[in-house]
Amino acid sequence: SQTIHQWPATLVQPVGSPLSLECTVEGTSNPNLYWYRQAAGRGLQLLFYSVGIGQISSEVPQNLSASRPQDRQFILSSKKLLLSDSGFYLCAWSVFQTDTQYFGPGTRLTVL
Amino acid sequence: GESVGLHLPTLSVQEGDNSIINCAYSNSASDYFIWYKQESGKGPQFIIDIRSNMDKRQGQRVTVLLNKTVKHLSLQIAATQPGDSAVYFCAENSFKADSWGKLQFGAGTQVVVTP
Repeated sequence: SQTIHQWPATLVQPVGSPLSLECTVEGTSNPNLYWYRQAAGRGLQLLFYSVGIGQISSEVPQNLSASRPQDRQFILSSKKLLLSDSGFYLCAWSVFQTDTQYFGPGTRLTVL
Repeated sequence: GESVGLHLPTLSVQEGDNSIINCAYSNSASDYFIWYKQESGKGPQFIIDIRSNMDKRQGQRVTVLLNKTVKHLSLQIAATQPGDSAVYFCAENSFKADSWGKLQFGAGTQVVVTP
């Protein structure tokens, strides 16, 4: 069966520090991968999606970037964090672009 | 713009009763709908989905109804249990080329199960 992992689970970082969140998927090949951010009590905002290695599409202009160095690895990064980057970051995968997306456990990021 | 939204932000349900969570969508091209359950501090969990060529689909204790005429989606939970307490999101996807894979989520409904 397929599983999706995210780490770290929680992270507290100072403003201006770099960020690297990692997501990996097991049990499938060539998945579509997604990064979402969820503000407290709000819905999910799509940040990036990837249909293959090295292929990244950005949905919103922001202080973040994404990379996909391997088929089942998706990384969310920032060179300098802002207070507004705080939130719950979720990685998801799907078999096809038009298919159900399955979410990871999330990373709670607090920028102080 | 086109959007997916929920009618009720909070739903309080007595244990053992049935729950009904509603969702309205405005994109007439939407052809795939998903319900997710999100417990506090966790990622959304897939519950059930339905495609636009269907109007009803049943799972274990859950039923999703789709009314394309009025662009309305609902999730029914039978015999609600304390473990059903969570935020429920509807999401919409479209097979249009410019929106492939881009799920649009509603704001969510908090379901609170009381004893």
